[in-house]
Amino acid sequence: QQPVQSPQAVILREGEDAVINCSSSKALYSVHWYRQKHGEAPVFLMILLKGGEQKGHDKISASFNEKKQQSSLYLTASQLSYSGTYFCGTEMTSYDKVIFGPGTSLSVIP
Amino acid sequence: GAVVSQHPSRVICKSGTSVKIECRSLDFQATTMFWYRQFPKQSLMLMATSNEGSKATYEQGVEKDKFLINHASLTLSTLTVTSAHPEDSSFYICSAREPGQHGYTFGSGTRLTVV
Repeated sequence: QQPVQSPQAVILREGEDAVINCSSSKALYSVHWYRQKHGEAPVFLMILLKGGEQKGHDKISASFNEKKQQSSLYLTASQLSYSGTYFCGTEMTSYDKVIFGPGTSLSVIP
Repeated sequence: GAVVSQHPSRVICKSGTSVKIECRSLDFQATTMFWYRQFPKQSLMLMATSNEGSKATYEQGVEKDKFLINHASLTLSTLTVTSAHPEDSSFYICSAREPGQHGYTFGSGTRLTVV
């Protein structure tokens, strides 16, 4: 079952912060986050395994609330290079197929 | 890092013909690869799971006789779109996971246009 993402789209000015949410009605093993730029393949950002840990690199981080089956991606001090479509992907078990959410279009403007 | 190579990047074919798309893991072995289809401004929809040495597992609603998948080696999976029609025009992307890693690496995708 496809996870739900919100918002559908967001426009930011450089330096602003954003949060993208992903939720599932099913119990999850993990949540993946990917960014896709127009005409390109998705690029893996990070994975959150059940256990509720928070991960991040640079100014992008994410959390996973196992009880609520929700994950959030946090982008702080956004840069122009952050523009793209962000997809969350969910796995029900370890090394399972990944089902992607509908995506969130993020545009960072000067 | 892991690299997945996909060819061709673009293909235009006539209606009724078949097209083969290759997906190779360049620096790791992949017993499982995944094929996705993406229509403009939409999400990645999983079509099938390609399993080395055995039959592919297709998602509900995907015609196995139309989208033939072969995973003959640990580094190569192919998707053949048979008797292609204009509605098959889409962006096809493969992905694989390096052993010991959790994230997927995607191929660069194939833009198929059926005229």
